[in-house]
Amino acid sequence: DGGITQSPKYLFRKEGQNVTLSCEQNLNHDAMYWYRQDPGQGLRLIYYSQIVNDFQKGDIAEGYSVSREKKESFPLTVTSAQKNPTAFYLCASSKKRLAGSPDTQYFGPGTRLTVL
Amino acid sequence: GDSVTQMEGPVTLSEEAFLTINCTYTATGYPSLFWYVQYPGEGLQLLLKATKADDKGSNKGFEATYRKETTSFHLEKGSVQVSDSAVYFCALAGGSNYKLTFGKGTLLTVNP
Repeated sequence: DGGITQSPKYLFRKEGQNVTLSCEQNLNHDAMYWYRQDPGQGLRLIYYSQIVNDFQKGDIAEGYSVSREKKESFPLTVTSAQKNPTAFYLCASSKKRLAGSPDTQYFGPGTRLTVL
Repeated sequence: GDSVTQMEGPVTLSEEAFLTINCTYTATGYPSLFWYVQYPGEGLQLLLKATKADDKGSNKGFEATYRKETTSFHLEKGSVQVSDSAVYFCALAGGSNYKLTFGKGTLLTVNP
């Protein structure tokens, strides 16, 4: 079955530590995204990548970093510079957008990060 | 910039009741519109979508019509079930980038 996997499902970290969240997709999608979800709020875009070795900041990129070395993988690092990292993190992917036709984004199951 | 406003919850209904969750948007150009559903502890699943004015998206008994004149994309279902209990997000994709803009979500609880 094709899909998006995120690991781990739950993650705990101590203050001051960096932590990396995994996102892998086998849908052969070109574009990948990271969102953050906080209680009572919609999703906010952290970073996105339209092609391998290229990525752009979203609305709330401060304190986060990403890499896109392979088409199927888009890991997110939450650094110690992120002031309030406790949240639910969702990865998504989509086909490369064609002109005039935004492509549907498909989501992984999410990782819940808690800073102790 | 783009924005999505959806009715605040929580919404509590009895089984077989009629459901409406309102969604309005602000965007330049001609965005695509989406409804996603999130079950407890899970990621988002695409429920339905519409890519141009007057399109109707439908899935699993849910429907929404893209109304450009009222900039709306209200979600409806004629008879809800307990299994429909979840958070529903309205979203749009528009402009020259790939970004999805989400509403804040509406929690629906259906009681037997």
